[in-house]
Amino acid sequence: AQSVTQLGSHVSVSEGALVLLRCNYSSSVPPYLFWYVQYPNQGLQLLLKYTSAATLVKGINGFEAEFKKSETSFHLTKPSAHMSDAAEYFCAVSDPGGGADGLTFGKGTHLIIQP
Amino acid sequence: KAGVTQTPRYLIKTRGQQVTLSCSPISGHRSVSWYQQTPGQGLQFLFEYFSETQRNKGNFPGRFSGRQFSNSRSEMNVSTLELGDSALYLCASSWGTSGGQVDTQYFGPGTRLTVL
Repeated sequence: AQSVTQLGSHVSVSEGALVLLRCNYSSSVPPYLFWYVQYPNQGLQLLLKYTSAATLVKGINGFEAEFKKSETSFHLTKPSAHMSDAAEYFCAVSDPGGGADGLTFGKGTHLIIQP
Repeated sequence: KAGVTQTPRYLIKTRGQQVTLSCSPISGHRSVSWYQQTPGQGLQFLFEYFSETQRNKGNFPGRFSGRQFSNSRSEMNVSTLELGDSALYLCASSWGTSGGQVDTQYFGPGTRLTVL
């Protein structure tokens, strides 16, 4: 079974500061990894994904994430936070061998941007 | 290209009733998955349909069911509603693979179900 741990249910950064949202996974096989963002009263929007190609993945809105197998991590970063980045962020994992469990999501991290 | 659409967006029901939610995937996508999102349990996988067949199912009681039509549109049904079924129900579509691998899923806005 797979699992995802997102450290910090709430993260607060100042506008213009570095954003770092942490995600660690547990999987018996090299997984596919995803980051999604959810704005209030909306569905999930895909930010980026890792599917066993380049370990540094660039996504939309200036976000990127690096897959580190030795640390079983897939942390999300953005060099300079913008007020519009305030939202809920979810890390998700799937088994490339089959989707019996669909996407397994972390509990989410609420990103707060201070002016 | 239009995104995933879900109807209705909001729904209020009472305990014991049943409800049907609808999802239209992105054109060309053959896989539709459903997820339940609650503050306590987070996002949980309900089931996945591919080419009109339920291929995978999460750990939910039999009151939760679904189907997929030949045009890939999907419906989800919950019978004998309980207070704990109050949640945001999200539908996601993807191209789908015959081998069942989870490829990139694109989510709709969700249906907010409130059970009174």
